[in-house]
Amino acid sequence: KQEVTQIPAALSVPEGENLVLNCSFTDSAIYNLQWFRQDPGKGLTSLLLIQSSQREQTSGRLNASLDKSSGRSTLYIAASQPGDSATYLCAVGRGGFKTIFGAGTRLFVKA
Amino acid sequence: GAGVSQSPSNKVTEKGKDVELRCDPISGHTALYWYRQSLGQGLEFLIYFQGNSAPDKSGLPSDRFSAERTGGSVSTLTIQRTQQEDSAVYLCASRPDLTLNTGELFFGEGSRLTVL
Repeated sequence: KQEVTQIPAALSVPEGENLVLNCSFTDSAIYNLQWFRQDPGKGLTSLLLIQSSQREQTSGRLNASLDKSSGRSTLYIAASQPGDSATYLCAVGRGGFKTIFGAGTRLFVKA
Repeated sequence: GAGVSQSPSNKVTEKGKDVELRCDPISGHTALYWYRQSLGQGLEFLIYFQGNSAPDKSGLPSDRFSAERTGGSVSTLTIQRTQQEDSAVYLCASRPDLTLNTGELFFGEGSRLTVL
């Protein structure tokens, strides 16, 4: 059974700091991994999608890496801003079309 | 439409009543998912539809929950005889795949259900 774990559960950093969010999964037989952002009371916004054949994806200040063999992905946020404050979720796509989500990391960036 | 549309955005109902939640996916997306997110919790998979295939209902928590997708587009999630533990945000997502689970997943804003 695929399990997805996100560490830390919560993180508070000062503005301008670079930070790393971690996602681990137990079954390496995945099709892709997607990182989302969720603001309070809102739906999920897709940030980055990494296919199983890829090692990383970049979008602006965000960089996501994928290491299937070790069952890990990281989301790197450079020069964090207060507007980055949100919950970040990773989701693993696998066979049978199920996508399994982690519980998320709540990020607070202090001005 | 431009994105996944869900309605109603908020629903307050009394225990024992039936509710229907609607999802209009992105045009052309063949895969449609329903998830549930309880307060402070992660996303719980409920059901998914893929084209004309039989839906995967393995995540539905009880037989009070059902969903259908008409014409391969709009989907309705129905909860019968609602209970207080059904209170949550119900999120719908769609994906453009035809065969593989490789496409990007797009979410709606969710329907917040409160059962009194």
